[in-house]
Amino acid sequence: EDQVTQSPEALRLQEGESSSLNCSYTVSGLRGLFWYRQDPGKGPEFLFTLYSAGEEKEKERLKATLTKKESFLHITAPKPEDSATYLCAVRITGGGNKLTFGTGTQLKVEL
Amino acid sequence: DAGVIQSPRHEVTEMGQEVTLRCKPISGHDYLFWYRQTMMRGLELLIYFNNNVPIDDSGMPEDRFSAKMPNASFSTLKIQPSEPRDSAVYFCASRDSKNIQYFGAGTRLSVL
Repeated sequence: EDQVTQSPEALRLQEGESSSLNCSYTVSGLRGLFWYRQDPGKGPEFLFTLYSAGEEKEKERLKATLTKKESFLHITAPKPEDSATYLCAVRITGGGNKLTFGTGTQLKVEL
Repeated sequence: DAGVIQSPRHEVTEMGQEVTLRCKPISGHDYLFWYRQTMMRGLELLIYFNNNVPIDDSGMPEDRFSAKMPNASFSTLKIQPSEPRDSAVYFCASRDSKNIQYFGAGTRLSVL
């Protein structure tokens, strides 16, 4: 069965303290891995798409990487405004245009 | 573009009542998705449409749920009759040509 698992469930960082969020997946065939950010009371907001192992994407303090079994979202020198829930999702071979989401990592960055 | 627009933002109803959630996708997007988000189960796909045609409704929990897309700029998700376990946040999303889904702000449904 296709599965997407995110860890940790929650993470508390001090401002400037870099860390990584993990998204591991067990799927029959990966057609894309997506990272989203969700703020309280809002819908998920697209961050990155990764398609093949070794691929990396960057945006401000965020960098997403992909291997054959997992993806990492690296946060460098985070700020309080980076506090949010980060969701990863996969699109799989034979799954049409469906995205299967992980349960997310709730990140809080404190001053 | 104003993005994906959902209404209402909040809905409180009593068990047994009919509930209709509405969505206006981003113009030009040919895929529309309905999701449900709960603390226990996270974000789950209910149904999606391509060019107004339902493609996959395997995530619709039961016959009480139905969805329609009468034209490219409007979709509804209906629950009849509603039950307390239907309480959740319901999201609509539309997809662009690069396979990126853009989400609305959601409808928070409370069934008492």
